[in-house]
Amino acid sequence: AQSVTQLGSHVSVSEGALVLLRCNYSSSVPPYLFWYVQYPNQGLQLLLKYTTGATLVKGINGFEAEFKKSETSFHLTKPSAHMSDAAEYFCAVGGTDGDSWGKLQFGAGTQVVVTP
Amino acid sequence: DTEVTQTPKHLVMGMTNKKSLKCEQHMGHRAMYWYKQKAKKPPELMFVYSYEKLSINESVPSRFSPECPNSSLLNLHLHALQPEDSALYLCASSQGAENQPQHFGDGTRLSIL
Repeated sequence: AQSVTQLGSHVSVSEGALVLLRCNYSSSVPPYLFWYVQYPNQGLQLLLKYTTGATLVKGINGFEAEFKKSETSFHLTKPSAHMSDAAEYFCAVGGTDGDSWGKLQFGAGTQVVVTP
Repeated sequence: DTEVTQTPKHLVMGMTNKKSLKCEQHMGHRAMYWYKQKAKKPPELMFVYSYEKLSINESVPSRFSPECPNSSLLNLHLHALQPEDSALYLCASSQGAENQPQHFGDGTRLSIL
């Protein structure tokens, strides 16, 4: 079975500083990995996804993530935070076997606060 | 703007009422999902429809009844809900159920009195 751990339920960054959100997964087979963002009173929006191929994945709004199989990680980064990046971020792994097939397993989420 | 449209945006209902949530997508997606999200928590999967057939029911109480009239439309019928059912209900769709990225609507915020 797959699982996802997001380190840090809250992250505070200064405007212009690096944003780093950590995600570790467990999966017995090559995973499908996703990052979603949720702004207040909205649904989830896909930032980026990893399926196969290049391990550095670029997404929308200047975000990127690197799949590291040896570390079972899929950390999300953005070089320079903007006030509009304040939101909840969810890492998710797509189920690939058994009862988890076709299901997204979400991490607990990380709330990002951006300070001026 | 999202490509998955959910109505209504807000719903307040009593425990004896019957109401329905509606979700629509016109992206040609063949998988559609219902999630429940409590405050400060990740979404929890409730149901998955694949090619208009119910493929996953995550042991959801029968007071929630999903329906997929066609490939573009997904409903969630509500009856005799409990206060703990108050939450944000999210609909999502994807090209297929096999780990395609899911596109989410903005949800219906449901309050049970």
